[in-house]
Amino acid sequence: DQQVKQNSPSLSVQEGRISILNCDYTNSMFDYFLWYKKYPAEGPTFLISISSIKDKNEDGRFTVFLNKSAKHLSLHIVPSQPGDSAVYFCAASVINDMRFGAGTRLTVKP
Amino acid sequence: DVKVTQSSRYLVKRTGEKVFLECVQDMDHENMFWYRQDPGLGLRLIYFSYDVKMKEKGDIPEGYSVSREKKERFSLILESASTNQTSMYLCAIGGRAGAKNIQYFGAGTRLSVL
Repeated sequence: DQQVKQNSPSLSVQEGRISILNCDYTNSMFDYFLWYKKYPAEGPTFLISISSIKDKNEDGRFTVFLNKSAKHLSLHIVPSQPGDSAVYFCAASVINDMRFGAGTRLTVKP
Repeated sequence: DVKVTQSSRYLVKRTGEKVFLECVQDMDHENMFWYRQDPGLGLRLIYFSYDVKMKEKGDIPEGYSVSREKKERFSLILESASTNQTSMYLCAIGGRAGAKNIQYFGAGTRLSVL
């Protein structure tokens, strides 16, 4: 069973606008959440993370929001740039068990 | 910088061959992981190791085995490759450290089994 779901396989946005990627999870025991970015033919690169004791974490253009009551995670990219075009995976973990979503392909158009 | 090196970027093998995928890290980390990535399925854990000679099955271990004789090296073995093992294979290191739990990935090996 998929404990982490990314329901949008793809997202297209205009350069300079906001990109919002969403992720839902089912296991309330997850206590650490991450976003990874993946370019074709490369491994995933860690982007940003958040602990379950927080509801927001910001790093430059990237902000992750956590809504524990809704079991929902989102990644905001502002402003979006063409170099942000990639597949984004969300992940949720407890102890050493890490579960990944299926990924969302983001395309940022110039 | 964390460095996780996978020995091959691309491999083409024939059905029934024994295949070795190698992963080397330079971070002296206890935990190492093997995943496969398939479209629409995300990353699925095959095996992980938390110390030399120690291993644990992940979600999809069937058809695979692993070896960890030295701390820096974690090998994934396909005993008899099949076409349904055509996939992107990703090695990772890391795991729980206090409140954080971050894994760092190698560049991946794209395996095609014909």
